[in-house]
Amino acid sequence: GAGVSQTPSNKVTEKGKYVELRCDPISGHTALYWYRQSLGQGPEFLIYFQGTGAADDSGLPNDRFFAVRPEGSVSTLKIQRTERGDSAVYLCASSFRQGAEAFFGQGTRLTVV
Amino acid sequence: GIQVEQSPPDLILQEGANSTLRCNFSDSVNNLQWFHQNPWGQLINLFYIPSGTKQNGRLSATTVATERYSLLYISSSQTTDSGVYFCAGTHAGGTSYGKLTFGQGTILTVHP
Repeated sequence: GAGVSQTPSNKVTEKGKYVELRCDPISGHTALYWYRQSLGQGPEFLIYFQGTGAADDSGLPNDRFFAVRPEGSVSTLKIQRTERGDSAVYLCASSFRQGAEAFFGQGTRLTVV
Repeated sequence: GIQVEQSPPDLILQEGANSTLRCNFSDSVNNLQWFHQNPWGQLINLFYIPSGTKQNGRLSATTVATERYSLLYISSSQTTDSGVYFCAGTHAGGTSYGKLTFGQGTILTVHP
């Protein structure tokens, strides 16, 4: 596609529920990144993929968070047993290869009530 | 990992004024980028500038990699320049080649 696409734009869920956030990268980009941004802060790294494999998942806060990219294109960030502290904007980015210029999607605003 | 410090944290300008934003890194970085986050939260790419100087219209950026800092210059500011400016880079000495570390941002407000 022309840019990085994230769905949904907004998600409100109840505490304890499971959510999935989707990212569709720019066509041909092999690297895909997930970040989380809280109000007033810079984006914080969660995980990135080079192809289908997670090259670095050191930013995932705990084992409730998981991400996949089974075919090397679309990625899904999965959050189990959501907590109010998970509320944030989740940003996805992609680049031609790891370390190249990254381009971001518009984000998914997750609110856990 | 690396630490990224941006200054100033807040900047208020009158339309037409010039400004300089700074980004300091605690260690050597690759793949340095500047972004503008608009009021809708979208991160807009301004510059990919691991070293040297680039210009794009009223904006220019300079990265001095050996001294671990980068500068973003905005000339003749306009109200549409308002928003948050972020710099980010990947740790040159690290093993995670794609992990961008962001600063806390500079909040720019341009008044008409």
